[in-house]
Amino acid sequence: QTVVTQEPSFSVSPGGTVTLTCGLRSGSVSTSNYPSWYQQTPGQAPRTLIYNANIRSSGVPDRFSGSILGNKAALTITGAQADDESDYYCVQYMGGGIWVFGGGTKLTVL
Amino acid sequence: EVQLVESGGGMIRPGGSLRLSCAASGFTFDDYGMSWVRQAPGMGLEWVSGISWNGANTGYADSVKGRFSISRDNARNSLYLLMNSLRAEDTALYYCARENGHGFDVWGQGTMVSVSS
Repeated sequence: QTVVTQEPSFSVSPGGTVTLTCGLRSGSVSTSNYPSWYQQTPGQAPRTLIYNANIRSSGVPDRFSGSILGNKAALTITGAQADDESDYYCVQYMGGGIWVFGGGTKLTVL
Repeated sequence: EVQLVESGGGMIRPGGSLRLSCAASGFTFDDYGMSWVRQAPGMGLEWVSGISWNGANTGYADSVKGRFSISRDNARNSLYLLMNSLRAEDTALYYCARENGHGFDVWGQGTMVSVSS
């Protein structure tokens, strides 16, 4: 079964830059997987950050950017702020109307 | 304002059935595919099921295939999820999400389903 992989946790210093990745257990991520990224804080619904690999959702600051890096999708946060401390999820399209989320990355800003 | 509001959650015994609803407003509902995404307590997001704009195409996660059925009523701007043969592992907060063709761009606040004897 296809599995979408993410780092379980990551930390970044305030003002620093961090890149979270989203891969496939087997194979490379491509634009046809439409990788997208979501931020979630405890008790809140997910917030869409990036879709179609690199399109920023409305209202999302430009310090959040998405890309394909090598064989993975990537979310880069530049100039990390304290309120960026959240869980980050990616999802990929597998074809046939099927989407699969990664396990999420817990980002700590300290 | 673009909005999705879920309802229909509750406590149910294993083996029971439940139908979730999602009311959409603020956008042209039949321009978009829709999905259900769930989150078990303390766990990550899991895509459950999706449906195309006209209901002609549907998809299901392996974990719910054969037990859950997604549908929509474009005249009522509503999305549904019929859940049969519920198991303890189906306990989760169920979100309705709008698909923009490249991901999910609008989310509801979720409705909680608890399966327990």
